[in-house]
Amino acid sequence: QQPVQSPQAVILREGEDAVINCSSSKALYSVHWYRQKHGEAPVFLMILLKGGEQKGHDKISASFNEKKQQSSLYLTASQLSYSGTYFCGTEGVGSSNTGKLIFGQGTTLQVKP
Amino acid sequence: DTGVSQNPRHKITKRGQNVTFRCDPISEHNRLYWYRQTLGQGPEFLTYFQNEAQLEKSRLLSDRFSAERPKGSFSTLEIQRTEQGDSAMYLCASSFIGYGYTFGSGTRLTVV
Repeated sequence: QQPVQSPQAVILREGEDAVINCSSSKALYSVHWYRQKHGEAPVFLMILLKGGEQKGHDKISASFNEKKQQSSLYLTASQLSYSGTYFCGTEGVGSSNTGKLIFGQGTTLQVKP
Repeated sequence: DTGVSQNPRHKITKRGQNVTFRCDPISEHNRLYWYRQTLGQGPEFLTYFQNEAQLEKSRLLSDRFSAERPKGSFSTLEIQRTEQGDSAMYLCASSFIGYGYTFGSGTRLTVV
């Protein structure tokens, strides 16, 4: 089951904050966040594991609510370089730590000067 | 370590032809994944390997698709009898267990 991301798109001015949400109907083992710029491959930002352990990017933060099967990505004091499409990828508990991710449909973020 | 390498970058083929893509993962990574991405969508899971073993293949994938990873090193994805609906970006990624993916730049397939 594909996770649902919201909002679908957001436009910011430099320095403003944004929150991107990812919601799954399945129990989750981990949530990954990636950013993809036009014409490029997705780049890993953050991984959140069941049990609260977090690994990844030190300039962007995220939360993982296991009970609600939701994750949020927090972008503070946005920079022009934050522009791109953000994807969450979820690994279900039933996947038995395969690392296989199901990706959301993406959230397009545009940061303007 | 030069990252994940995919070849070719672009492939244009006629409908009905077979195509093969290659992925060279980061050598220390033991997991390798293939995904497909169409415009405006997130990557869609195709298959994955742990070392040389193919452990899962998407049920959405027809028998025209096959992947191999001989000796747990590079991997190939073959599509037989291509159809226009196969046109997409094919992404390869590798990782350690419990860590994020490193994606390659992808192979863009156009079926005409």
